[in-house]
Amino acid sequence: DTAVSQTPKYLVTQMGNDKSIKCEQNLGHDTMYWYKQDSKKFLKIMFSYNNKELIINETVPNRFSPKSPDKAHLNLHINSLELGDSAVYFCASSQPGGGNYGYTFGSGTRLTVV
Amino acid sequence: AQSVTQLDSQVPVFEEAPVELRCNYSSSVSVYLFWYVQYPNQGLQLLLKYLSGSTLVKGINGFEAEFNKSQTSFHLRKPSVHISDTAEYFCAVTPRYQAGTALIFGKGTTLSVSS
Repeated sequence: DTAVSQTPKYLVTQMGNDKSIKCEQNLGHDTMYWYKQDSKKFLKIMFSYNNKELIINETVPNRFSPKSPDKAHLNLHINSLELGDSAVYFCASSQPGGGNYGYTFGSGTRLTVV
Repeated sequence: AQSVTQLDSQVPVFEEAPVELRCNYSSSVSVYLFWYVQYPNQGLQLLLKYLSGSTLVKGINGFEAEFNKSQTSFHLRKPSVHISDTAEYFCAVTPRYQAGTALIFGKGTTLSVSS
């Protein structure tokens, strides 16, 4: 009964392909996030959704599109993959104003573009 | 906007030695503060967090951190480290009382514990 689960855990694909990463949380949290961790381990926020509404949309290429069918799910679709998209992508969730409840992270999806 | 500076990118220590990982932050509003640990090829695990009250916060695995508002710091300490503490450590902040705000992370500190 994992709190925040991501699939797949590993994803190897060729340049130009389109791929999706799925995230589900069973914590009842209202807010979900996508983070990108680059090769230097830096964690950068990409998107956040609060109850299916887009809240944060950082300067991320248009090829990245988040979709939240309900507040327990936040998927990430990437079009026309490039070598520079290779990274570990983390999904997270929290309650609004997350501090009191903390942020819970998934185990990550390691994306390798070849 | 908030920012986090982790002052040491790498900290090598010997087993059973004390360690301090330093974190400074910048923010125009009050913040919550966090430390996360990432073991090799794993996700992020919460070590501890400061929300309010006592400035000395105790976390898991024997770690503690002290919030210093005047110096805008939140340094992480452990009196005696183990080999198993070898990992990447991230300091993070988020504004208080704002819905849907994300954690802003520092660039991480690699703690390497050797025997």
